[in-house]
Amino acid sequence: DAGVIQSPRHEVTEMGQEVTLRCKPISGHNSLFWYRQTMMRGLELLIYFNNNVPIDDSGMPEDRFSAKMPNASFSTLKIQPSEPRDSAVYFCASSLAGGLSWYNEQFFGPGTRLTVL
Amino acid sequence: SQELEQSPQSLIVQEGKNLTINCTSSKTLYGLYWYKQKYGEGLIFLMMLQKGGEEKSHEKITAKLDEKKQQSSLHITASQPSHAGIYLCGATTREAAGNKLTFGGGTRVLVKP
Repeated sequence: DAGVIQSPRHEVTEMGQEVTLRCKPISGHNSLFWYRQTMMRGLELLIYFNNNVPIDDSGMPEDRFSAKMPNASFSTLKIQPSEPRDSAVYFCASSLAGGLSWYNEQFFGPGTRLTVL
Repeated sequence: SQELEQSPQSLIVQEGKNLTINCTSSKTLYGLYWYKQKYGEGLIFLMMLQKGGEEKSHEKITAKLDEKKQQSSLHITASQPSHAGIYLCGATTREAAGNKLTFGGGTRVLVKP
């Protein structure tokens, strides 16, 4: 299995531009998570989906951030408009949750390093 | 909301020496996960603990969850340069839907050859 795939790996953009981050979870996993990691705030959960449905988006910073999961094999995190304070590494993770596997581990992608100038 | 406190924030050890990292929760833990992260990479799952008093080992890494399920420790025996990286604990609580995790701030480990 290729693991969780994220693209792009690096993104440099200017303030005000729209940024779209992409994630392909591990096949068969039914939960998908978006995290943001910064030196100041550490690793923060932004939003997570279960069976393609957003369950908890309380970590999404503000309306400029949106996430979608149109099918079981693809998710996007969009920032519009982007600001310098959005600069961070964004991770996508997936897991198989529910039933006896309620506490299964999350598998992380390599991350997207976003720099907003 | 749950908070996880990791200590120390960073440490430098001589190769061959042992080290211990602690993770303390403000709430009872129902699932405690240890991950390792190398610079510029994603998190690699190490192990997960659920039961009070549980202990798991993988190669030279041992993790324990105390009886009250509010603290976990990660112990590395005879550290090697390959053990360098950032170690993060993540936890889920009874109230958390699904397996939503909260992470500690991480412990940065440097192993001197």
